[in-house]
Amino acid sequence: DAGVIQSPRHEVTEMGQEVTLRCKPISGHNSLFWYRQTMMRGLELLIYFNNNVPIDDSGMPEDRFSAKMPNASFSTLKIQPSEPRDSAVYFCASSPDRGSGYTFGSGTRLTVV
Amino acid sequence: EDQVTQSPEALRLQEGESSSLNCSYTVSGLRGLFWYRQDPGKGPEFLFTLYSAGEEKEKERLKATLTKKESFLHITAPKPEDSATYLCAVLGGGADGLTFGKGTHLIIQP
Repeated sequence: DAGVIQSPRHEVTEMGQEVTLRCKPISGHNSLFWYRQTMMRGLELLIYFNNNVPIDDSGMPEDRFSAKMPNASFSTLKIQPSEPRDSAVYFCASSPDRGSGYTFGSGTRLTVV
Repeated sequence: EDQVTQSPEALRLQEGESSSLNCSYTVSGLRGLFWYRQDPGKGPEFLFTLYSAGEEKEKERLKATLTKKESFLHITAPKPEDSATYLCAVLGGGADGLTFGKGTHLIIQP
């Protein structure tokens, strides 16, 4: 298995632009998580999907952030409009169930200027 | 709210010098404590899961232990390739995802 695949690896965008981050989880994993990592706050859970259904989005910072999982093999995290404070590394992770160890992707480093 | 505190924030050791990393936690109904390793520019890599106090797990030079309030990651005779950030996380009874600590940045000098 190729693991969890995220794209793009790096994204530089201007304030106000829409940004879409993509994730392909490991086949057969029912749980998918989006995390954000910054030096100040560490890894923060943004949203959790189980069997493609959003279960907990309480970590999504504000309405500018949205996430979808249209099928078992694809998820997106969208920021519209983006702001400089959104600059961070965004990770997608999947697991067979929420109690098991997660497999993380390599992350997307987002810079909003 | 689940909380995880790791110490020290950074640790520099000589090759072969054993030490321990600490992870203190508060959680409502621990369902698991997880250790991850993260290399620069990469995602966290899963190491261990511990489920109950007294449990221990080992992998090469690493051993993780768990009590009711904290976990230790013991590293024995480390090598330079053990240099990384080590993250601790908990899954509480009321949580949907892992709560992570900020990590310990470990440097092993040859």
